[in-house]
Amino acid sequence: GAGVSQSPRYKVAKRGQDVALRCDPISGHVSLFWYQQALGQGPEFLTYFQNEAQLDKSGLPSDRFFAERPEGSVSTLKIQRTQQEDSAVYLCASSLGGPGTSGYTFGSGTRLTVV
Amino acid sequence: ELKVEQNPLFLSMQEGKNYTIYCNYSTTSDRLYWYRQDPGKSLESLFVLLSNGAVKQEGRLMASLDTKARLSTLHITAAVHDLSATYFCAANNAGNMLTFGGGTRLMVKP
Repeated sequence: GAGVSQSPRYKVAKRGQDVALRCDPISGHVSLFWYQQALGQGPEFLTYFQNEAQLDKSGLPSDRFFAERPEGSVSTLKIQRTQQEDSAVYLCASSLGGPGTSGYTFGSGTRLTVV
Repeated sequence: ELKVEQNPLFLSMQEGKNYTIYCNYSTTSDRLYWYRQDPGKSLESLFVLLSNGAVKQEGRLMASLDTKARLSTLHITAAVHDLSATYFCAANNAGNMLTFGGGTRLMVKP
């Protein structure tokens, strides 16, 4: 597609519920990143894929967070047993290669609210 | 661990004025990025700075990079209301992920 597509755009979850957030990167982009952006703050790194391989998951805040990209294109970020502190905007970004000189293209994000 | 700090965090300025946003980073970085974010929107790439002394300009915005000082600046010339947004700088080192600053919320008043 023309850009990075994320769905749903908004998600309200009850505490303890599991959620799945989807990212559809730009076609052909090798690298895919997930970031978490709390209100009024800069995005914070969660995890990075190169094709289907998850090369870095050091930013995932707990074992309740899990990400996958099984066929090297669409990625899903899953959060189990959601807590209020998980409320944030989750941004997905893709890049053609590694640290591309053109930067990273970000999606519009999924705003997760845990009540 | 790479840390990125921006200042000011909030900037209110009048149309027609000039101002500079500063971005300091703590360790050697391969590249420095500037992004713009409007409320409720995603991040729009503004500049990618690749080397020491790099300067890029687009309209009323100009970004520069001093790798020796570990400092990047975003200069705003003759601000207009449309520039009101939050501006983030970000750096990356040996890894592929970006480390972002806390953002500078810019408000340009008529």
